[in-house]
Amino acid sequence: GAVVSQHPSWVICKSGTSVKIECRSLDFQATTMFWYRQFPKQSLMLMATSNEGSKATYEQGVEKDKFLINHASLTLSTLTVTSAHPEDSSFYICSATGGRLHEQYFGPGTRLTVT
Amino acid sequence: AQTVTQSQPEMSVQEAETVTLSCTYDTSESDYYLFWYKQPPSRQMILVIRQEAYKQQNATENRFSVNFQKAAKSFSLKISDSQLGDAAMYFCAYRSPSNTPLVFGKGTRLSVIA
Repeated sequence: GAVVSQHPSWVICKSGTSVKIECRSLDFQATTMFWYRQFPKQSLMLMATSNEGSKATYEQGVEKDKFLINHASLTLSTLTVTSAHPEDSSFYICSATGGRLHEQYFGPGTRLTVT
Repeated sequence: AQTVTQSQPEMSVQEAETVTLSCTYDTSESDYYLFWYKQPPSRQMILVIRQEAYKQQNATENRFSVNFQKAAKSFSLKISDSQLGDAAMYFCAYRSPSNTPLVFGKGTRLSVIA
């Protein structure tokens, strides 16, 4: 089956610094990647939709200047949390779509802790 | 906009018994996909089962089956012969046929009692 990886799986950073999370489709070309955020004991909330070679589309309430998304190739999308604050601490999950039926495949997620 | 509602925040089931998780959704589209995802403590999202709206036959995957009622906009998941490894969060999700993101319900936490 299709595999999506995320790196790092867990990151701790200091308040005010930036952190980059990578999402890769390992064995298929992803036309679209989605970024979700999940707080403890809650559901996944869509942050943005990322298409290769074009600007990401952000959901209402998501600060595009704070959560920078780059989709430079059909196998890689990155999410950069700029000037991170403790309230940005969360679990970030990406999914990548591939194939004729636009099947979505999830990465294992990245736990971000901002101290 | 589409919405997905899971009215059971928590459920429990005895090992080897059967449990049904409820899900309703709202949409004006006639063609769409419905999914059940399992999220164990590792937090990796695992696809349990999918249903195409144009198919009348309910999807089945081993011990997992769905009861898809299109007119009622209902999509419940039945887990038969429950196992300890079934304990997890279960999310119901909706997707349009085009390349669009999944719309998730709030989830149901399933506990399996030995």
